[in-house]
Amino acid sequence: GQNIDQPTEMTATEGAIVQINCTYQTSGFNGLFWYQQHAGEAPTFLSYNVLDGLEEKGRFSSFLSRSKGYSYLLLKELQMKDSASYLCAVRTYSGNTPLVFGKGTRLSVIA
Amino acid sequence: DSGVTQTPKHLITATGQRVTLRCSPRSGDLSVYWYQQSLDQGLQFLIQYYNGEERAKGNILERFSAQQFPDLHSELNLSSLELGDSALYFCASSAAGASTDTQYFGPGTRLTVL
Repeated sequence: GQNIDQPTEMTATEGAIVQINCTYQTSGFNGLFWYQQHAGEAPTFLSYNVLDGLEEKGRFSSFLSRSKGYSYLLLKELQMKDSASYLCAVRTYSGNTPLVFGKGTRLSVIA
Repeated sequence: DSGVTQTPKHLITATGQRVTLRCSPRSGDLSVYWYQQSLDQGLQFLIQYYNGEERAKGNILERFSAQQFPDLHSELNLSSLELGDSALYFCASSAAGASTDTQYFGPGTRLTVL
């Protein structure tokens, strides 16, 4: 079966750095995505990793270790608008295929 | 704005009824995906269409059906509605072919079954 685990909730302070972890056990692996979702809104694409290592994109970075079935999303210089749910999703095999989503981590940024 | 459109934005109906949700993908995208998101639940994949053909099926109930039309828009039909069908329904689209394709989500339809 497919299993993706993320912490349910996290709280961090404005201006700080936060790391959101994701572990996965899936039948096959062909890439991991991170999405941001504000309450009641559509998920928006943040990052994609298919090879081991760190991908940096502005204030957001994402890391992948395929051997450990592990990824994290790093958010720097937190802003209040970063308060949202962060969804980890795994593509399990190649091609134009659906994603398996974790339940998401609800991040609250406080002053 | 992802470029994916969904209508209606909100839908309120009664148990036992049937509704149709509509999705138009981003210009040039051939694949359409439907997801259900219930309160405190993750995104549950329902079904995928690629260029008019069903490509993959997830946890879609027999009461639900979908299709993709020649102009590539898609409709999700939900029938014999139950209270538990109340959820956000998202449509996403992606380009064809590459395994690195990213899915872009529409704004969703919030369905409330009373």
